Amino acid sequence: EVQLLESGGGLVQPGGSLRLSCAASGFTFSSYAMSWVRQAPGKGLEWVSAISGSGGSTYFADSAKGRFTISRDNSKNTLYLQMNSLRADDTAVYYCAKGLAVAGTVIGGDYWGQGTLVTVSS
Amino acid sequence: QSVLTQPPSASGTPGQRVTISCSGSSSNIGSNPVNWYQQLPGTAPKLLIHNNNQRPSGVPDRFSGSKSGTSASLAISGLQSEDEADYYCAAWDGSLNGVFGGGTKLTVL
Repeated sequence: EVQLLESGGGLVQPGGSLRLSCAASGFTFSSYAMSWVRQAPGKGLEWVSAISGSGGSTYFADSAKGRFTISRDNSKNTLYLQMNSLRADDTAVYYCAKGLAVAGTVIGGDYWGQGTLVTVSS
Repeated sequence: QSVLTQPPSASGTPGQRVTISCSGSSSNIGSNPVNWYQQLPGTAPKLLIHNNNQRPSGVPDRFSGSKSGTSASLAISGLQSEDEADYYCAAWDGSLNGVFGGGTKLTVL
Protein backbone atom coordinates (compact mmCIF):
# COMPACT_ATOMS: atom_id res chain seq x y z
CA GLU A 1 0.00 0.00 0.00
CA VAL A 2 1.39 3.38 -1.03
CA GLN A 3 1.73 5.79 1.86
CA LEU A 4 3.03 9.35 2.01
CA LEU A 5 3.46 11.00 5.36
CA GLU A 6 4.39 14.67 5.57
CA SER A 7 5.92 16.27 8.63
CA GLY A 8 7.73 19.44 9.62
CA GLY A 9 4.95 21.98 9.40
CA GLY A 10 4.23 24.49 12.12
CA LEU A 11 4.21 28.14 13.08
CA VAL A 12 7.14 30.25 11.90
CA GLN A 13 7.81 33.96 11.89
CA PRO A 14 8.11 35.92 8.65
CA GLY A 15 11.64 35.57 7.31
CA GLY A 16 12.10 32.23 9.03
CA SER A 17 12.79 28.76 7.67
CA LEU A 18 11.20 25.33 7.78
CA ARG A 19 12.04 21.96 6.29
CA LEU A 20 9.19 19.71 5.31
CA SER A 21 9.67 15.97 4.95
CA CYS A 22 7.59 13.37 3.17
CA ALA A 23 8.26 9.75 4.09
CA ALA A 24 7.21 7.36 1.34
CA SER A 25 6.50 3.65 1.43
CA GLY A 26 4.82 0.96 -0.64
CA PHE A 27 6.51 1.70 -3.98
CA THR A 28 9.96 1.97 -5.54
CA PHE A 29 10.63 5.55 -4.51
CA SER A 30 13.48 6.26 -6.90
CA SER A 31 11.37 5.25 -9.91
CA TYR A 32 8.94 8.12 -9.55
CA ALA A 33 9.07 11.89 -9.63
CA MET A 34 7.61 13.66 -6.63
CA SER A 35 6.04 17.06 -6.18
CA TRP A 36 4.86 19.51 -3.55
CA VAL A 37 1.49 21.22 -3.91
CA ARG A 38 0.08 23.71 -1.44
CA GLN A 39 -3.34 25.05 -0.59
CA ALA A 40 -3.83 28.30 1.27
CA PRO A 41 -6.82 28.40 3.64
CA GLY A 42 -10.02 28.50 1.63
CA LYS A 43 -8.13 28.71 -1.67
CA GLY A 44 -7.32 26.43 -4.58
CA LEU A 45 -4.37 24.17 -5.26
CA GLU A 46 -1.00 25.69 -6.18
CA TRP A 47 1.91 23.69 -7.57
CA VAL A 48 5.12 24.51 -5.70
CA SER A 49 7.93 22.26 -6.89
CA ALA A 50 8.81 18.92 -8.44
CA ILE A 51 11.82 16.63 -8.66
CA SER A 52 12.70 13.75 -10.94
CA GLY A 53 13.17 10.24 -9.65
CA SER A 54 16.93 10.52 -9.59
CA GLY A 55 16.85 14.00 -8.11
CA GLY A 56 18.79 15.35 -11.05
CA SER A 57 16.04 17.63 -12.31
CA THR A 58 14.13 20.09 -10.18
CA TYR A 59 11.42 22.61 -10.98
CA PHE A 60 9.94 25.50 -9.02
CA ALA A 61 6.97 27.82 -9.21
CA ASP A 62 7.92 31.47 -9.60
CA SER A 63 6.67 32.04 -6.03
CA ALA A 64 9.21 29.51 -4.74
CA LYS A 65 12.27 30.23 -6.88
CA GLY A 66 15.25 31.43 -4.91
CA ARG A 67 13.60 30.66 -1.56
CA PHE A 68 12.65 26.97 -1.65
CA THR A 69 14.80 23.92 -2.36
CA ILE A 70 13.44 20.48 -3.19
CA SER A 71 15.52 17.36 -2.63
CA ARG A 72 15.16 13.66 -2.05
CA ASP A 73 17.07 10.89 -0.35
CA ASN A 74 16.30 7.73 -2.28
CA SER A 75 18.12 5.62 0.31
CA LYS A 76 15.67 6.85 2.95
CA ASN A 77 12.60 7.04 0.68
CA THR A 78 12.11 10.62 1.76
CA LEU A 79 11.29 13.85 -0.06
CA TYR A 80 12.16 17.25 1.36
CA LEU A 81 11.18 20.87 0.88
CA GLN A 82 13.49 23.44 2.45
CA MET A 83 11.68 26.74 2.75
CA ASN A 84 13.58 29.93 3.53
CA SER A 85 12.59 33.60 3.75
CA LEU A 86 9.04 32.59 4.50
CA ARG A 87 6.26 35.11 3.98
CA ALA A 88 2.69 35.35 5.21
CA ASP A 89 1.42 34.27 1.79
CA ASP A 90 3.29 30.97 2.15
CA THR A 91 0.74 29.99 4.80
CA ALA A 92 -0.91 26.83 3.48
CA VAL A 93 -1.32 23.11 3.79
CA TYR A 94 1.58 21.51 1.93
CA TYR A 95 0.97 18.17 0.24
CA CYS A 96 3.53 15.84 -1.23
CA ALA A 97 2.42 13.70 -4.15
CA LYS A 98 3.81 10.73 -6.06
CA GLY A 99 4.16 11.31 -9.77
CA LEU A 100 3.09 8.87 -12.43
CA ALA A 101 6.53 8.53 -14.01
CA VAL A 102 10.19 9.13 -13.33
CA ALA A 103 10.40 12.42 -15.22
CA GLY A 104 10.19 15.50 -13.03
CA THR A 105 7.53 17.35 -14.97
CA VAL A 106 4.73 16.43 -12.61
CA ILE A 107 1.87 18.34 -11.02
CA GLY A 108 0.60 16.20 -8.19
CA GLY A 109 0.09 12.55 -9.01
CA ASP A 110 -1.72 9.38 -8.15
CA TYR A 111 -1.06 9.37 -4.42
CA TRP A 112 -1.05 12.26 -1.99
CA GLY A 113 -0.13 12.67 1.63
CA GLN A 114 -2.53 14.06 4.20
CA GLY A 115 -0.75 17.42 4.20
CA THR A 116 1.12 19.46 6.78
CA LEU A 117 0.10 22.97 7.78
CA VAL A 118 2.62 25.79 7.58
CA THR A 119 1.62 29.04 9.24
CA VAL A 120 3.79 32.13 8.75
CA SER A 121 2.88 34.77 11.28
CA SER A 122 4.44 37.00 13.90
CA GLN B 1 -5.68 34.64 -11.43
CA SER B 2 -5.00 31.02 -12.40
CA VAL B 3 -3.22 30.13 -15.64
CA LEU B 4 -5.92 27.55 -16.39
CA THR B 5 -9.47 28.89 -16.35
CA GLN B 6 -12.33 26.91 -14.83
CA PRO B 7 -15.86 27.99 -13.96
CA PRO B 8 -16.02 28.64 -10.20
CA SER B 9 -19.16 26.57 -9.79
CA ALA B 10 -21.29 23.91 -11.43
CA SER B 11 -24.37 22.03 -10.36
CA GLY B 12 -26.67 19.21 -11.31
CA THR B 13 -29.31 16.88 -9.99
CA PRO B 14 -28.74 13.20 -9.22
CA GLY B 15 -28.50 11.15 -12.38
CA GLN B 16 -27.65 14.12 -14.60
CA ARG B 17 -24.52 14.58 -16.69
CA VAL B 18 -22.31 17.54 -15.81
CA THR B 19 -19.26 18.89 -17.61
CA ILE B 20 -16.53 21.12 -16.24
CA SER B 21 -14.33 23.03 -18.64
CA CYS B 22 -10.69 24.03 -18.36
CA SER B 23 -9.22 26.58 -20.72
CA GLY B 24 -5.52 27.14 -21.18
CA SER B 25 -3.05 28.07 -23.89
CA SER B 26 -0.69 26.56 -26.41
CA SER B 27 2.10 26.43 -23.82
CA ASN B 28 0.20 24.24 -21.37
CA ILE B 29 -2.94 22.35 -22.40
CA GLY B 30 -2.11 22.80 -26.07
CA SER B 31 1.13 20.87 -25.74
CA ASN B 32 0.92 18.79 -22.57
CA PRO B 33 -1.47 16.23 -21.08
CA VAL B 34 -4.13 17.27 -18.59
CA ASN B 35 -4.88 15.78 -15.20
CA TRP B 36 -8.06 16.19 -13.21
CA TYR B 37 -8.33 16.02 -9.43
CA GLN B 38 -11.27 15.70 -7.07
CA GLN B 39 -11.04 17.17 -3.59
CA LEU B 40 -13.69 16.30 -1.06
CA PRO B 41 -14.05 18.70 1.89
CA GLY B 42 -11.21 18.40 4.37
CA THR B 43 -9.30 15.78 2.39
CA ALA B 44 -6.31 15.58 0.09
CA PRO B 45 -6.88 15.74 -3.66
CA LYS B 46 -7.52 12.50 -5.53
CA LEU B 47 -6.44 11.81 -9.11
CA LEU B 48 -9.49 11.28 -11.32
CA ILE B 49 -8.08 11.54 -14.83
CA HIS B 50 -4.50 11.58 -16.15
CA ASN B 51 -3.07 11.96 -19.63
CA ASN B 52 -6.25 13.73 -20.78
CA ASN B 53 -8.62 10.77 -20.61
CA GLN B 54 -7.08 7.92 -18.61
CA ARG B 55 -8.79 6.77 -15.43
CA PRO B 56 -6.67 5.28 -12.64
CA SER B 57 -7.90 1.97 -11.35
CA GLY B 58 -10.74 2.42 -8.90
CA VAL B 59 -12.15 5.55 -10.50
CA PRO B 60 -15.68 4.86 -11.77
CA ASP B 61 -16.26 5.06 -15.51
CA ARG B 62 -18.85 7.76 -14.80
CA PHE B 63 -15.86 10.11 -14.90
CA SER B 64 -14.33 10.88 -18.28
CA GLY B 65 -11.91 13.42 -19.66
CA SER B 66 -11.29 14.93 -23.05
CA LYS B 67 -9.05 17.51 -24.64
CA SER B 68 -9.25 19.58 -27.79
CA GLY B 69 -6.69 22.20 -28.69
CA THR B 70 -6.11 24.43 -25.68
CA SER B 71 -9.17 23.29 -23.73
CA ALA B 72 -10.07 20.23 -21.70
CA SER B 73 -13.25 18.95 -20.11
CA LEU B 74 -14.25 16.64 -17.31
CA ALA B 75 -17.60 14.93 -17.65
CA ILE B 76 -19.47 13.24 -14.82
CA SER B 77 -22.44 11.13 -15.81
CA GLY B 78 -25.03 9.61 -13.49
CA LEU B 79 -24.31 12.33 -10.94
CA GLN B 80 -24.34 11.15 -7.33
CA SER B 81 -24.46 13.06 -4.05
CA GLU B 82 -20.97 11.86 -3.18
CA ASP B 83 -19.63 13.66 -6.28
CA GLU B 84 -20.13 16.97 -4.48
CA ALA B 85 -16.57 18.26 -4.28
CA ASP B 86 -14.04 20.68 -5.75
CA TYR B 87 -12.54 19.71 -9.10
CA TYR B 88 -9.22 20.94 -10.46
CA CYS B 89 -7.54 20.61 -13.82
CA ALA B 90 -3.75 20.69 -14.06
CA ALA B 91 -1.13 20.69 -16.78
CA TRP B 92 2.56 21.24 -17.26
CA ASP B 93 3.48 24.56 -18.83
CA GLY B 94 6.28 25.31 -21.26
CA SER B 95 7.71 27.77 -18.78
CA LEU B 96 8.72 24.68 -16.76
CA ASN B 97 5.95 25.22 -14.25
CA GLY B 98 3.06 23.10 -13.17
CA VAL B 99 -0.25 24.95 -13.34
CA PHE B 100 -3.66 24.29 -11.81
CA GLY B 101 -7.04 25.67 -12.66
CA GLY B 102 -8.76 27.77 -10.03
CA GLY B 103 -11.11 24.92 -9.17
CA THR B 104 -14.81 24.27 -9.72
CA LYS B 105 -17.15 23.65 -6.81
CA LEU B 106 -19.70 21.04 -7.87
CA THR B 107 -23.03 21.07 -6.05
CA VAL B 108 -25.46 18.18 -6.32
CA LEU B 109 -28.93 19.66 -5.94
